[in-house]
Amino acid sequence: EAQVTQNPRYLITVTGKKLTVTCSQNMNHEYMSWYRQDPGLGLRQIYYSMNVEVTDKGDVPEGYKVSRKEKRNFPLILESPSPNQTSLYFCASRWTAGELFFGEGSRLTVL
Amino acid sequence: AQTVTQSQPEMSVQEAETVTLSCTYDTSESNYYLFWYKQPPSRQMILVIRQEAYKQQNATENRFSVNFQKAAKSFSLKISDSQLGDTAMYFCAFSNTNAGKSTFGDGTTLTVKP
Repeated sequence: EAQVTQNPRYLITVTGKKLTVTCSQNMNHEYMSWYRQDPGLGLRQIYYSMNVEVTDKGDVPEGYKVSRKEKRNFPLILESPSPNQTSLYFCASRWTAGELFFGEGSRLTVL
Repeated sequence: AQTVTQSQPEMSVQEAETVTLSCTYDTSESNYYLFWYKQPPSRQMILVIRQEAYKQQNATENRFSVNFQKAAKSFSLKISDSQLGDTAMYFCAFSNTNAGKSTFGDGTTLTVKP
């Protein structure tokens, strides 16, 4: 089954404790991206990757890191989480162009 | 930079009626895609319909159709014969062709009433 898999789906953590949200896709897509969704603000793009070893900032990259060492994986790293990073996070992938295929979302709470 | 505006935060419609959700965008690009995504209470993001900017014909998917006005930078979604399962938040989105940035509107919460 074609899918984008995110883990964990739910996480409660404390300020400053490093965490990683994993994302994996099995569709051989070149493009992967991370978004955060906050009430009234839609989805805002954090980082994206056009292919392996190629990443670039989206609209809200501060406080986040990413890496793309393999085509299928695109982890999101929060080196020192803060409460303003409490949000719903989505990973998505697609071919070079076209519609996005989304993961099921990861609900993160930073205390 | 691209912007996407959805001017209707909330809408409601009676079951079996027709409803139109508005979306306007701003870009200097000539080649791009526009999308409508649906997010039901499960939070899953689901593609409803897509439109390539170079195509003049409006996209249609069963009960869903768009009115794409490229010169006016308008991309509205029409839902015909609304069903209870259409209750969701709907996002309009813009994507450059072969580029990385994607921009979403703030969403419209649609409630279909029985």
